Amino acid sequence: AQKITQTQPGMFVQEKEAVTLDCTYDTSDQSYGLFWYKQPSSGEMIFLIYQGSYDEQNATEGRYSLNFQKARKSANLVISASQLGDSAMYFCAMRAYRGSQGNLIFGKGTKLSVKP
Amino acid sequence: DTGVSQNPRHKITKRGQNVTFRCDPISEHNRLYWYRQTLGQGPEFLTYFQNEAQLEKSRLLSDRFSAERPKGSFSTLEIQRTEQGDSAMYLCASSSDENTEAFFGQGTRLTVV
Repeated sequence: AQKITQTQPGMFVQEKEAVTLDCTYDTSDQSYGLFWYKQPSSGEMIFLIYQGSYDEQNATEGRYSLNFQKARKSANLVISASQLGDSAMYFCAMRAYRGSQGNLIFGKGTKLSVKP
Repeated sequence: DTGVSQNPRHKITKRGQNVTFRCDPISEHNRLYWYRQTLGQGPEFLTYFQNEAQLEKSRLLSDRFSAERPKGSFSTLEIQRTEQGDSAMYLCASSSDENTEAFFGQGTRLTVV
């Protein structure tokens, strides 16, 4: 069975500092994808970044980077230069490509609060 | 087309009533997903369509739930004889294929009183 674990229910970070949100996953599949989504209080899930299991380089998208450690089965999200607008729930998700039809399995999320 | 659209945004209903939600995906996306999210949890998969075919249903989708996607465009999710435990955010997402990210709508928040 596939599972995503996010062990930090809440995190605080000072504006302009970097923050790391933890994510570990469990799967027996060799081919899978890892995603991070942001959910502001409005409710919409906003895609941030994607890492494929065969990608050798860590993914980066602007201020977001994904610290992918395959052997440890971790896919931590790093947000650099935090902004007040980064305050939101952050979800790590996984998609297995064998037999799953592409649906995502989510963790419980981490609530990030950016302090001015 | 600016994204995935869901209607209504909020729905309050009395226990035992039927409700129907609508999702309009991004027009060129052939894959459409429904998720349910309760307070303090991540979204949980409910069902998946490829074009008009419903290809997968979670065991979370009881007999009171039914989803359709006629003509492979918009989708509806109906809940019959609602229960208080159905109170949740219902999220719709679409993607162009299984290897790309899914884009989500803003969700429909259901409250059963």
